Amino acid sequence: IAGITQAPTSQILAAGRRMTLRCTQDMRHNAMYWYRQDLGLGLRLIHYSNTAGTTGKGEVPDGYSVSRANTDDFPLTLASAVPSQTSVYFCASSDDSLAATDTQYFGPGTRLTVL
Amino acid sequence: GQNIDQPTEMTATEGAIVQINCTYQTSGFNGLFWYQQHAGEAPTFLSYNVLDGLEEKGRFSSFLSRSKGYSYLLLKELQMKDSASYLCAVRDRDYKLSFGAGTTVTVRA
Repeated sequence: IAGITQAPTSQILAAGRRMTLRCTQDMRHNAMYWYRQDLGLGLRLIHYSNTAGTTGKGEVPDGYSVSRANTDDFPLTLASAVPSQTSVYFCASSDDSLAATDTQYFGPGTRLTVL
Repeated sequence: GQNIDQPTEMTATEGAIVQINCTYQTSGFNGLFWYQQHAGEAPTFLSYNVLDGLEEKGRFSSFLSRSKGYSYLLLKELQMKDSASYLCAVRDRDYKLSFGAGTTVTVRA
């Protein structure tokens, strides 16, 4: 069982380009999340999905979009990348986002550099 | 907004005990989590507290006081492999996690 996979592992991107970060989980979790992690700021929620077919905005959604066509996949798209989007991006999943003991599990991350 | 504070760095000796404090002010409270993150890797779940008191899991324990908005993670019998960042996260009233910036623990021989 792989858990959560993310692709690519790292990417250097020119400003203004479009980029999609991929996330797939095989745990049949209902909820999925995208975070970015920047030095000194900790993990910040970008977008989330409580169940397939629904999405919501997190703390820092501007410049990003997501879709959740099925349970397993939750891609994150940067429509026109800017240097401030240079970060490490983590995808996470959990069984039931509204359950008292729900725990999020994280993928290995994608290191994105926008020049 | 959410406010979660934890020390930036701590250093301790192998075999010793280290306590990482976390204070929080959030919009509602539905549990507090601790994650461990080794450099260049994903965060991994360590512990969860929703009621006041101490939760013990082997060498790691986590304490919560909801009235004080305070938690700590206690690492006992430190090993070199415990060198990592430790992230405090609070689930708010919307059931979303807000994370502190993390505490980097360095274990010296």
